[in-house]
Amino acid sequence: KAGVTQTPRYLIKTRGQQVTLSCSPISGHRSVSWYQQTPGQGLQFLFEYFSETQRNKGNFPGRFSGRQFSNSRSEMNVSTLELGDSALYLCASSPGQGASYEQYFGPGTRLTVT
Amino acid sequence: SQQGEEDPQALSIQEGENATMNCSYKTSINNLQWYRQNSGRGLVHLILIRSNEREKHSGRLRVTLDTSKKSSSLLITASRAADTASYFCATPTSGTYKYIFGTGTRLKVLA
Repeated sequence: KAGVTQTPRYLIKTRGQQVTLSCSPISGHRSVSWYQQTPGQGLQFLFEYFSETQRNKGNFPGRFSGRQFSNSRSEMNVSTLELGDSALYLCASSPGQGASYEQYFGPGTRLTVT
Repeated sequence: SQQGEEDPQALSIQEGENATMNCSYKTSINNLQWYRQNSGRGLVHLILIRSNEREKHSGRLRVTLDTSKKSSSLLITASRAADTASYFCATPTSGTYKYIFGTGTRLKVLA
C-alpha cells in the first residue's frame, strides 16, 4: 500500500496570508490526525478526524481549521499566518479511531512564514 | 510538563553499543508507542506496547513498560549509524483520541 502523502512538501508564505495543506491517508484508513512540530514546542496535536467528523482538537487558535472528505483525504487551513506558524506540519493516518492504533505519518509539509 | 517526557534529551554512542532511552508519563494509559524521526522528516512507528504488557521485542528493539512507575524504556541493541535519529514516546490522553508526544531523545551513533 502507498504510504501517507502530504502536499505540498515545502511552502513559503507571507505573514497575513492563508494556507491549505493536504493529506492523503493510507488506503482504508479512516482516521487522520494533524500535528505541528517546532523546535521550541516539539510535536503538538492539532486535530483528529474520523469519518469526516472532528473528534478532538488541540490547543490552537481558531485560525487553524481542518476538514475530512468522504474519501478520508484531509485538509488543514491556517488563516492570517503569523511568523510563529512556521513549522513542520505532519499528518498521520490510522486504521481505526481511538488510541489503540499505531499512527502512520507522512513526510510533512514544511511551512515558512516570512 | 508534557504527558510524555524522554530522558536523556541527547545521547551519543559508538556503533555496536546499546542505547537506552526512557519515557515518563503522568496519567493512566492503555498503550504507549515509540516512534523514530530522521532529521525533520515524518515519524516512523516502532512499537506499541499495551498496558497489560511488560516487555516487547522487535528486531534489535526492546521496550519495557512499568505502569506502577508510569515509565517506559526503549533499548536499541548493537546500534548502527543508521539508528541516528530522534526517538519519541507517545501516549493517548485518557478518554480522547489525542496522542501526546514527548520531547524526544536525540540519538547519535558514531561510526
